[in-house]
Amino acid sequence: QSVLTQPPSASGTPGQRVTISCSGSNSNIGTNTVNWYQHVPGTAPKLLIYSNYQRPSGVPDRFSGYKSGTSASLAISGLQSEDEADYYCAALDATLNGPVFGGGTKLTVL
Amino acid sequence: QVQLQQWGAGLLKPSETLSLTCAVSGGFFTGYSWTWIRQPPGKGLEWIGEIDHGDNTKYNPSLKGRLSLSIDTSKNQFSLKLSSVTAADTAVYYCGRGRMPDWWGQGTPVTVSS
Repeated sequence: QSVLTQPPSASGTPGQRVTISCSGSNSNIGTNTVNWYQHVPGTAPKLLIYSNYQRPSGVPDRFSGYKSGTSASLAISGLQSEDEADYYCAALDATLNGPVFGGGTKLTVL
Repeated sequence: QVQLQQWGAGLLKPSETLSLTCAVSGGFFTGYSWTWIRQPPGKGLEWIGEIDHGDNTKYNPSLKGRLSLSIDTSKNQFSLKLSSVTAADTAVYYCGRGRMPDWWGQGTPVTVSS
């Protein structure tokens, strides 16, 4: 059971906009920033969003992050087949004194 | 571009010690903390612990007592040792840069089985 709660799956057709939610608590998302990672199994996870909404260099602006209270979300617009991957949210947790993660959302591009 | 290359034994028997090493290239080594994270089969990511260039460590309490992290700044490497492994330690193990990693290793599958 992951500390942060994500839907296990999401899907969309090419060109669509999809949103993935991430729910936490006051000890993690409520007081710390959120990162989002894209992971294609068998490869290294890739940082997509940091500090709630910031994009690292090279990440397309089709990816956007949002946080409100103890929840966060990742939006992907103009969905492409290459976006098919697992997506994880993460935040530092005051109780653990380390990062906690969501269970991951498998995104399928139909 | 920062690269993290990790290696270690992938098949262990119960009670053995898991040893993994992660080598960092393409960026500064000092000034960062270095993290280990694992993902058991069919489950989410779990933080294992972190170490910085000053040898300061933070461990997941669930693993404390079995876990030891070390760092070699002369080689830009850091390592993990997890003792008395059981089947519950079967996972893909990742190394990463930073408390909330911005760069990750490719992952090392570790299976504990008799």
